[in-house]
Amino acid sequence: DAGITQSPRYKITETGRQVTLMCHQTWSHSYMFWYRQDLGHGLRLIYYSAAADITDKGEVPDGYVVSRSKTENFPLTLESATRSQTSVYFCASSVYWGQSSYEQYFGPGTRLTVT
Amino acid sequence: DQQVKQNSPSLSVQEGRISILNCDYTNSMFDYFLWYKKYPAEGPTFLISISSIKDKNEDGRFTVFLNKSAKHLSLHIVPSQPGDSAVYFCAASARGQGFSFIFGKGTRLLVKP
Repeated sequence: DAGITQSPRYKITETGRQVTLMCHQTWSHSYMFWYRQDLGHGLRLIYYSAAADITDKGEVPDGYVVSRSKTENFPLTLESATRSQTSVYFCASSVYWGQSSYEQYFGPGTRLTVT
Repeated sequence: DQQVKQNSPSLSVQEGRISILNCDYTNSMFDYFLWYKKYPAEGPTFLISISSIKDKNEDGRFTVFLNKSAKHLSLHIVPSQPGDSAVYFCAASARGQGFSFIFGKGTRLLVKP
Protein backbone atom coordinates (compact mmCIF):
# COMPACT_ATOMS: atom_id res chain seq x y z
CA ASP A 1 0.00 0.00 0.00
CA ALA A 2 1.20 3.50 -0.75
CA GLY A 3 2.06 5.76 2.14
CA ILE A 4 4.21 5.63 5.23
CA THR A 5 4.24 2.58 7.46
CA GLN A 6 5.86 1.79 10.79
CA SER A 7 6.65 -1.54 12.38
CA PRO A 8 6.10 -2.88 14.87
CA ARG A 9 3.05 -0.95 16.04
CA TYR A 10 3.59 -2.10 19.63
CA LYS A 11 6.75 -3.28 21.33
CA ILE A 12 7.65 -4.23 24.88
CA THR A 13 11.33 -4.63 25.67
CA GLU A 14 13.61 -4.78 28.69
CA THR A 15 16.11 -2.23 29.89
CA GLY A 16 19.45 -2.65 28.14
CA ARG A 17 18.11 -4.41 25.06
CA GLN A 18 18.65 -3.13 21.55
CA VAL A 19 15.48 -2.25 19.68
CA THR A 20 14.98 -1.15 16.09
CA LEU A 21 11.87 0.63 14.90
CA MET A 22 11.23 0.49 11.19
CA CYS A 23 9.83 3.17 8.91
CA HIS A 24 9.04 2.77 5.23
CA GLN A 25 7.58 5.27 2.76
CA THR A 26 6.51 4.69 -0.83
CA TRP A 27 6.45 8.29 -2.09
CA SER A 28 10.24 8.64 -2.59
CA HIS A 29 10.17 11.70 -0.35
CA SER A 30 13.66 13.00 0.23
CA TYR A 31 13.17 14.04 3.87
CA MET A 32 12.34 11.67 6.70
CA PHE A 33 11.97 12.28 10.42
CA TRP A 34 11.65 10.52 13.74
CA TYR A 35 9.66 12.07 16.60
CA ARG A 36 8.70 10.92 20.05
CA GLN A 37 5.50 11.94 21.76
CA ASP A 38 5.32 12.06 25.53
CA LEU A 39 2.71 13.45 27.90
CA GLY A 40 3.48 17.07 28.62
CA HIS A 41 5.99 17.39 25.79
CA GLY A 42 4.12 17.17 22.54
CA LEU A 43 6.19 15.94 19.60
CA ARG A 44 9.96 16.18 19.84
CA LEU A 45 12.31 15.61 16.92
CA ILE A 46 14.90 12.87 17.45
CA TYR A 47 16.66 12.69 14.09
CA TYR A 48 15.98 13.63 10.53
CA SER A 49 17.42 12.79 7.13
CA ALA A 50 17.58 14.98 4.04
CA ALA A 51 18.43 12.10 1.69
CA ALA A 52 20.01 8.67 1.66
CA ASP A 53 23.21 8.67 3.74
CA ILE A 54 22.50 12.18 5.11
CA THR A 55 21.23 12.38 8.68
CA ASP A 56 21.22 15.04 11.38
CA LYS A 57 20.32 15.34 15.04
CA GLY A 58 17.12 16.85 16.26
CA GLU A 59 16.09 18.07 19.68
CA VAL A 60 16.48 14.79 21.64
CA PRO A 61 19.00 12.48 19.86
CA ASP A 62 20.78 10.95 22.86
CA GLY A 63 20.43 7.17 23.07
CA TYR A 64 19.25 6.80 19.48
CA VAL A 65 20.98 5.85 16.23
CA VAL A 66 19.61 6.20 12.71
CA SER A 67 20.68 5.13 9.28
CA ARG A 68 19.37 5.71 5.78
CA SER A 69 20.92 3.48 3.17
CA LYS A 70 17.82 3.65 0.95
CA THR A 71 15.52 6.60 0.31
CA GLU A 72 12.42 4.69 1.37
CA ASN A 73 13.65 3.33 4.72
CA PHE A 74 14.66 5.17 7.89
CA PRO A 75 15.15 2.80 10.85
CA LEU A 76 15.58 4.10 14.39
CA THR A 77 17.68 2.04 16.81
CA LEU A 78 17.78 2.26 20.57
CA GLU A 79 21.15 0.69 21.27
CA SER A 80 20.52 0.08 24.98
CA ALA A 81 16.92 0.86 25.87
CA THR A 82 16.12 2.79 29.05
CA ARG A 83 12.78 3.33 30.81
CA SER A 84 12.91 7.00 29.84
CA GLN A 85 12.61 5.90 26.21
CA THR A 86 9.13 4.54 26.82
CA SER A 87 7.11 6.63 24.40
CA VAL A 88 5.13 6.72 21.18
CA TYR A 89 7.42 7.09 18.19
CA PHE A 90 6.29 8.67 14.94
CA CYS A 91 8.06 8.56 11.62
CA ALA A 92 7.32 11.21 9.00
CA SER A 93 8.36 12.08 5.48
CA SER A 94 8.23 15.27 3.49
CA VAL A 95 8.86 16.81 0.13
CA TYR A 96 10.66 20.14 0.32
CA TRP A 97 9.86 22.63 -2.36
CA GLY A 98 12.23 25.40 -1.28
CA GLN A 99 10.32 28.58 -0.56
CA SER A 100 7.01 26.91 -1.39
CA SER A 101 4.89 25.21 1.18
CA TYR A 102 5.78 21.81 2.46
CA GLU A 103 4.24 19.46 4.96
CA GLN A 104 5.07 16.27 6.75
CA TYR A 105 3.17 13.02 6.41
CA PHE A 106 3.18 10.93 9.54
CA GLY A 107 3.06 7.20 10.06
CA PRO A 108 0.64 5.58 12.53
CA GLY A 109 3.21 5.41 15.32
CA THR A 110 4.96 2.72 17.37
CA ARG A 111 4.15 2.46 21.06
CA LEU A 112 7.31 1.32 22.84
CA THR A 113 7.40 0.24 26.46
CA VAL A 114 10.72 -0.37 28.19
CA THR A 115 10.39 -2.40 31.39
CA ASP B 1 12.78 26.63 27.21
CA GLN B 2 9.70 26.10 25.08
CA GLN B 3 9.98 27.85 21.75
CA VAL B 4 6.42 26.98 20.72
CA LYS B 5 3.67 27.24 23.32
CA GLN B 6 0.08 26.15 23.26
CA ASN B 7 -1.09 27.45 26.60
CA SER B 8 -4.56 25.92 26.54
CA PRO B 9 -4.40 22.15 27.10
CA SER B 10 -8.07 21.78 26.22
CA LEU B 11 -10.98 23.60 24.64
CA SER B 12 -14.67 22.75 24.51
CA VAL B 13 -16.96 24.25 21.86
CA GLN B 14 -20.56 23.74 20.78
CA GLU B 15 -21.17 22.29 17.34
CA GLY B 16 -21.65 25.03 14.74
CA ARG B 17 -19.72 27.62 16.71
CA ILE B 18 -16.20 28.88 16.11
CA SER B 19 -13.17 27.12 17.60
CA ILE B 20 -10.08 29.24 18.14
CA LEU B 21 -6.82 27.52 19.00
CA ASN B 22 -3.84 29.65 19.93
CA CYS B 23 -0.10 29.26 19.61
CA ASP B 24 2.75 31.52 20.72
CA TYR B 25 6.39 31.31 19.73
CA THR B 26 9.58 32.91 20.97
CA ASN B 27 12.11 32.36 18.17
CA SER B 28 12.01 35.30 15.74
CA MET B 29 13.79 33.14 13.14
CA PHE B 30 10.69 30.98 12.67
CA ASP B 31 9.27 31.68 9.24
CA TYR B 32 6.94 28.79 8.53
CA PHE B 33 4.12 27.45 10.64
CA LEU B 34 1.83 24.46 10.42
CA TRP B 35 -1.15 23.03 12.22
CA TYR B 36 -1.69 19.31 12.60
CA LYS B 37 -4.67 17.36 13.85
CA LYS B 38 -4.25 14.09 15.73
CA TYR B 39 -6.80 11.43 16.57
CA PRO B 40 -6.05 8.76 19.21
CA ALA B 41 -3.86 5.88 18.00
CA GLU B 42 -3.13 7.65 14.71
CA GLY B 43 -0.30 9.81 13.41
CA PRO B 44 -0.78 13.57 13.09
CA THR B 45 -2.31 14.77 9.83
CA PHE B 46 -1.51 18.06 8.19
CA LEU B 47 -4.22 20.70 8.32
CA ILE B 48 -2.94 24.04 7.12
CA SER B 49 0.26 26.06 6.92
CA ILE B 50 1.32 29.67 6.69
CA SER B 51 4.52 31.39 5.66
CA SER B 52 5.77 34.45 7.50
CA ILE B 53 5.23 36.57 4.40
CA LYS B 54 1.48 36.17 4.89
CA ASP B 55 -0.81 37.01 7.77
CA LYS B 56 -3.71 34.78 6.81
CA ASN B 57 -4.30 31.51 5.02
CA GLU B 58 -7.67 29.85 4.43
CA ASP B 59 -8.63 26.33 3.51
CA GLY B 60 -12.32 25.59 3.70
CA ARG B 61 -13.45 25.76 7.33
CA PHE B 62 -9.90 26.30 8.56
CA THR B 63 -8.13 29.65 8.71
CA VAL B 64 -4.75 30.37 10.22
CA PHE B 65 -3.82 33.89 11.28
CA LEU B 66 -0.25 35.01 11.92
CA ASN B 67 0.70 38.08 13.96
CA LYS B 68 4.46 38.35 13.61
CA SER B 69 4.86 41.34 15.89
CA ALA B 70 3.13 39.45 18.70
CA LYS B 71 4.74 36.13 17.72
CA HIS B 72 1.29 34.60 17.79
CA LEU B 73 -0.74 32.45 15.48
CA SER B 74 -4.22 31.08 15.75
CA LEU B 75 -6.32 28.45 14.02
CA HIS B 76 -10.00 29.20 13.48
CA ILE B 77 -12.43 26.42 12.68
CA VAL B 78 -15.82 27.61 11.44
CA PRO B 79 -18.27 25.98 11.83
CA SER B 80 -16.97 23.42 14.30
CA GLN B 81 -18.12 19.84 13.83
CA PRO B 82 -18.01 16.86 16.22
CA GLY B 83 -15.49 15.18 13.86
CA ASP B 84 -13.10 18.05 14.60
CA SER B 85 -12.67 16.70 18.13
CA ALA B 86 -8.96 15.85 18.29
CA VAL B 87 -5.63 17.13 19.57
CA TYR B 88 -4.25 20.04 17.54
CA PHE B 89 -0.54 20.72 17.33
CA CYS B 90 1.09 23.92 16.23
CA ALA B 91 4.58 23.57 14.69
CA ALA B 92 7.18 26.10 13.62
CA SER B 93 10.26 25.99 11.45
CA ALA B 94 13.18 28.27 10.67
CA ARG B 95 13.86 27.22 7.11
CA GLY B 96 17.19 28.93 6.94
CA GLN B 97 18.43 26.95 9.91
CA GLY B 98 17.89 23.47 8.67
CA PHE B 99 14.78 21.51 8.04
CA SER B 100 13.15 20.63 11.31
CA PHE B 101 10.01 21.57 13.19
CA ILE B 102 9.41 22.51 16.80
CA PHE B 103 5.99 21.38 18.01
CA GLY B 104 3.81 22.74 20.75
CA LYS B 105 2.36 20.42 23.38
CA GLY B 106 -1.04 20.37 21.73
CA THR B 107 -4.58 21.49 22.55
CA ARG B 108 -7.38 18.95 22.90
CA LEU B 109 -10.52 20.22 21.19
CA LEU B 110 -13.92 18.78 22.07
CA VAL B 111 -16.83 19.77 19.87
CA LYS B 112 -20.13 18.97 21.57
CA PRO B 113 -23.17 18.06 19.48
